[in-house]
Amino acid sequence: NAGVTQTPKFRVLKTGQSMTLLCAQDMNHEYMYWYRQDPGMGLRLIHYSVGEGTTAKGEVPDGYNVSRLKKQNFLLGLESAAPSQTSVYFCASSYGRASGGSEAFFGQGTRLTVV
Amino acid sequence: GQQLNQSPQSMFIQEGEDVSMNCTSSSIFNTWLWYKQDPGEGPVLLIALYKAGELTSNGRLTAQFGITRKDSFLNISASIPSDVGIYFCAGQLLIRNDMRFGAGTRLTVKP
Repeated sequence: NAGVTQTPKFRVLKTGQSMTLLCAQDMNHEYMYWYRQDPGMGLRLIHYSVGEGTTAKGEVPDGYNVSRLKKQNFLLGLESAAPSQTSVYFCASSYGRASGGSEAFFGQGTRLTVV
Repeated sequence: GQQLNQSPQSMFIQEGEDVSMNCTSSSIFNTWLWYKQDPGEGPVLLIALYKAGELTSNGRLTAQFGITRKDSFLNISASIPSDVGIYFCAGQLLIRNDMRFGAGTRLTVKP
């Protein structure tokens, strides 16, 4: 079982370049999330989606855009990368709300460096 | 910014010792979760708590949902080397659909 798959696993970008991170899940989950992880900061929520065609802002949405055109995919875009966006990005998915007993499953992360 | 305050930031313990870490918030959460992250991996769920006062165990791990709904703790008994990793608390606010995470506790276990 694939679970949550993130591509690419590593990427180096130059300042100002754009890129898209892909998250794919094969569990028919409704909810999907994008987090970034920085040393000493834990996981901070960028954007999330509660179903196909929906997106919502998290704690740190600036500089990022997302799309959920298909239920199984959640794309995270950086239009003009900045060094402050150097981080490890994690995607997660869950069937429903955590409060409803739905466990979130995480991908293995994408390590992005912006130079 | 972070809505969850997790402490301690790091712990260095001897194998066999017990460990305790906690999370507090100024907001009321209706769900508390504890995750573990191994190096190079994504977080994996250890324990989920849904009711104030709830005490739940998973092997050597025990977690409690605080009565005020603004805190939670995780205990690990008789630590072993494979307990090494980063432990995160996470919570869901009553009025939101997303999960927020604490900054993590990095645990090192010396054999």
